[in-house]
Amino acid sequence: ETHLVDSGGRQVKPGGSLTLSCVSTGVYFSNYSLNWVRQAPGKGLEWVSSISFRNNDVFYADSVKGRFTISRDNAKRSMYLQMNDLRPEDTAVYFCTRDWASVTPGEYIYYGMDVWGRGTTVTVSS
Amino acid sequence: SYELTQPPSVSVSPGQTARITCSGDALPKQYAYWYQQKPGQAPTLVAYRDTKRPSGIPERFSGSSSGTTVTLTISGVQPEDEAAYYCQSADITSSYVVFGGGTKLTVL
Repeated sequence: ETHLVDSGGRQVKPGGSLTLSCVSTGVYFSNYSLNWVRQAPGKGLEWVSSISFRNNDVFYADSVKGRFTISRDNAKRSMYLQMNDLRPEDTAVYFCTRDWASVTPGEYIYYGMDVWGRGTTVTVSS
Repeated sequence: SYELTQPPSVSVSPGQTARITCSGDALPKQYAYWYQQKPGQAPTLVAYRDTKRPSGIPERFSGSSSGTTVTLTISGVQPEDEAAYYCQSADITSSYVVFGGGTKLTVL
């Protein structure tokens, strides 16, 4: 059974930077697209960013575009989120997640996010 | 930007049926996925591609779709089903992931 372990969250001042990490305990890490999803205190889930398995295409929510950078290192079974110019509204628990999908030549069938990390807390406050 | 609309709360007594809806203009063309989140825990996938149930999820959880609305139905609600439920789909123009605002299910 695969687990995702997310880490790196801490308190940081507005305008500061932080890098979150997500390590997978499972094999075949390189076969999966991955995501960061966040949840502000008392609020709902918000998709932040995704990185594909196939060619490392990256995608960002408008709220973080230009400030956050997602990356992965398949050899280390790890994914990262570099966060710059942090704002108070970035305060949240950040979850790394794995896409469950069936991939065959010419077809990609998505089934949802089947594995979630426990979350790491980022607090942006002076 | 694309939005998915859920009722903030649903309340039922144990053993009754809970229905949680999620509305969005693209739902006739994009599948929906449902997650359960208990306090202090990460979400868990409880339904995918509108009507499918992952292995290990109790049969009382089922999904359905009609037009611009998808519904998660929990038949014979148990006290342990009390949680927040989120629908997820994709923006039809960008394919970006979108979550609904969440529904707090209270078991009376």
